[in-house]
This record gives sequence, structure tokens and C-alpha cells, in this order.
Amino acid sequence: AQSVTQLDSQVPVFEEAPVELRCNYSSSVSVYLFWYVQYPNQGLQLLLKYLSGSTLVKGINGFEAEFNKSQTSFHLRKPSVHISDTAEYFCAFTGGGNKLTFGTGTQLKVEL
Amino acid sequence: NAGVTQTPKFQVLKTGQSMTLQCAQDMNHNSMYWYRQDPGMGLRLIYYSASEGTTDKGEVPNGYNVSRLNKREFSLRLESAAPSQTSVYFCASSEAVEWEGDTQYFGPGTRLTVL
Repeated sequence: AQSVTQLDSQVPVFEEAPVELRCNYSSSVSVYLFWYVQYPNQGLQLLLKYLSGSTLVKGINGFEAEFNKSQTSFHLRKPSVHISDTAEYFCAFTGGGNKLTFGTGTQLKVEL
Repeated sequence: NAGVTQTPKFQVLKTGQSMTLQCAQDMNHNSMYWYRQDPGMGLRLIYYSASEGTTDKGEVPNGYNVSRLNKREFSLRLESAAPSQTSVYFCASSEAVEWEGDTQYFGPGTRLTVL
């Protein structure tokens, strides 16, 4: 069965500091990888996705993620966070005919 | 475009009551989905509809039924609500039929409490 692991349930960081949110997946087939963001009391929206090609994917709001097939990872990074980045971030993937599988989420809290 | 809309935004039910959550999208998408979100568990798929006229079970379908009324609308029904169904419910849609790399677009959610 496929699964996705977000090891960090909460990540506190100061404003203007860099951040990395970790995501690892378990699948024996080719995958499509996603990061979604959920702002307080809202639905999810797509940050970025990897389908094929370059392993470095750039998304909205200055976020980027790198697909590492050998480590089965798709970590999300931002070089300098802003207060407005405070939200919950979900890693997700599909592959092999399976539906979208979500991780348990990482709460990013940006502090002044 | 309103995107994906859900009604109601909030609902409180007593155990055993029934209700229907409504979802509509105006993006002419083929596929629609119902998820529930619980703390520490991410989103779990309840049911989905790959195209108008078809519905299929997801990961946690027990206690729920769905109807794909037309291409725009996809409703979720709780016939006899239980406290375990207290959750936030999200509807989503995507353009393609059975394309795994497709982006899903989410509604704002319905917060349901079952007493």
C-alpha cells in the first residue's frame, strides 16, 4: 500500500528565516507529487506539483520542492518565510492507478 | 468563477439524525471528491465520482452515501449520524477523468459536529 509521511507535525520558525518541510513517500511505481497549503478556516490550494522532468519544482509564494527518487522524498523549502506563510502544509501523491494520498500535515508557525 | 462551493458551512446534529452536504463546481470539471479531515490524520477520501453518472468508494465510505446529481453537483449524505462522523468535510473537483497528475480544487469545507 502506498503511504506518505510528514515527520514534523509542527514547525516553528522566525520571520525571514529559511524553512524546510519534510515529506517521504512509499510507492513501488512512478509517482506524481504535490504540496497543498491550507490557511486557517479555508480549503486546500495547490502550492506546486511534480509530474516529470526537472526534479526542482517552483511553486507559488516563493516555495520550491525537490523530488529525490533514491530517497523517496519531496521536501518543501522557502529561503525566507513571512508571517502570511503561517498555515498547514500537506504533501500528497498519486501513482499506479491509486487515488490521491495525503500526509498528516505540517503546521508551519511563523513568529516575529 | 466561484470555483467549488459547499453548503452549509457549519452544522450540529444529534446522533441518529440525517443530513446532506451539498457541493457544486463551476469549472466544468469531470471528477469530484468528498474528503474528511480529522486532526493528525490528514485528508481521507470518502467517495469520488470520476465522471457524471459514476461514483466509487474511497478509503472511508462506511456511514455515507453520495449522489452525482449532474456534472456540477455532488452531494454527500449521512443517513444516521454518529459522533465518529464529527469532522470537517471537503469537496474537491478536478478536470480530467482518471488522470493521476491532475490538480484538485477544494471547497471551503463544512464543519460538522455530531452530539
